[in-house]
Amino acid sequence: DAKTTQPPSMDCAEGRAANLPCNHSTISGNEYVYWYRQIHSQGPQYIIHGLKNNETNEMASLIITEDRKSSTLILPHATLRDTAVYYCIVRVGYSTLTFGKGTMLLVSP
Amino acid sequence: GAVVSQHPSRVICKSGTSVKIECRSLDFQATTMFWYRQFPKQSLMLMATSNEGSKATYEQGVEKDKFLINHASLTLSTLTVTSAHPEDSSFYICSATEPDRDDSDYTFGSGTRLTVV
Repeated sequence: DAKTTQPPSMDCAEGRAANLPCNHSTISGNEYVYWYRQIHSQGPQYIIHGLKNNETNEMASLIITEDRKSSTLILPHATLRDTAVYYCIVRVGYSTLTFGKGTMLLVSP
Repeated sequence: GAVVSQHPSRVICKSGTSVKIECRSLDFQATTMFWYRQFPKQSLMLMATSNEGSKATYEQGVEKDKFLINHASLTLSTLTVTSAHPEDSSFYICSATEPDRDDSDYTFGSGTRLTVV
């Protein structure tokens, strides 16, 4: 699976949009981009995934660049409960999940 | 949606004893379950892949005789930490996926905080 690079930490004000970047320049054509998050002392939670089109669900939006070498997870209106470590993972469907260090997002009042 | 239940959420045991952690898929059948370990301020590390009815596949560096995994049914996998020592203190997390789901996302348990004293 392709390696990903994420900033170690980010801050966001409550109510504002949180934009979390992820670089995956070695991604191959059949690899999906997945996002999970882990709130402190809990198991990871699936957020969203995509192949090449932008995706949106009730939790977030995923913007993938045309060359697929990077992506951005957007939480449109961050709340305090969105404070968590966010993991960007690139993988072929059904392959095991390999977690990097992720981005620690701190949402402040 | 898919739910994975993990029990216990916290356990404290004495050094040298064994601890069993259960992972159940509540509303789906999971032919494959995964066990992760997470040390403080570190990311999740895959320990082993558990397949129903067969032996688990362990990642390099994980002692299969110390971390016993049993996946006897399509809804239950157990991880037993045998002869636990303080260095085994960690956050253990299981996950499972529904093989017929198109999006193949994984559902995780809430984790088990093991403290060996």
